Amino acid sequence: DGGITQSPKYLFRKEGQNVTLSCEQNLNHDAMYWYRQDPGQGLRLIYYSQIVNDFQKGDIAEGYSVSREKKESFPLTVTSAQKNPTAFYLCASSWLSNQPQHFGDGTRLSIL
Amino acid sequence: SQQGEEDPQALSIQEGENATMNCSYKTSINNLQWYRQNSGRGLVHLILIRSNEREKHSGRLRVTLDTSKKSSSLLITASRAADTASYFCATDGENYGGSQGNLIFGKGTKLSVKP
Repeated sequence: DGGITQSPKYLFRKEGQNVTLSCEQNLNHDAMYWYRQDPGQGLRLIYYSQIVNDFQKGDIAEGYSVSREKKESFPLTVTSAQKNPTAFYLCASSWLSNQPQHFGDGTRLSIL
Repeated sequence: SQQGEEDPQALSIQEGENATMNCSYKTSINNLQWYRQNSGRGLVHLILIRSNEREKHSGRLRVTLDTSKKSSSLLITASRAADTASYFCATDGENYGGSQGNLIFGKGTKLSVKP
């Protein structure tokens, strides 16, 4: 059963701490994305990757970092430089950049 | 600012009624997509309409696209309580901001269908 798995579902961050959100897909998609969603808002693109070992900043990349060492995996690190990290984070994948995206069920990040 | 903007922000109807949501966008597009999001879940792709298409159907969904007005509408016919969700349009903003070539999502319409 193909899909995208995000973990954990809930995550709490302490002041000054970096945290990493996991995203794994078995759809054999080349492109992967990280979005941030705030209450009542649409999705804002943080980072995207169109191929292994390559990624680009989206609209709100400051305070975040990513890696793409394997086609299946695209982890997102929320660094201590991100001063307002509380949000719902969604990972997605697709064949091409403007084609339908498949989404995971998100990670909700809060500050302790 | 967003490429796509949905209207209305919230919509409440009775089961069996039709629900219409609108999306306006700013730049030229190759395609426009509609997604659904249940509370606390990820988005699910519903339908894609290309810039050279005017109307598309999928089950109880009907999507129209007017490129001259830069707008699209999503019609859900004979709505059910299970249709309660947020609905987002997404466009491929070819020359728009830092997301070039990627999808840009609107803020969504929150639909509530009462039994």
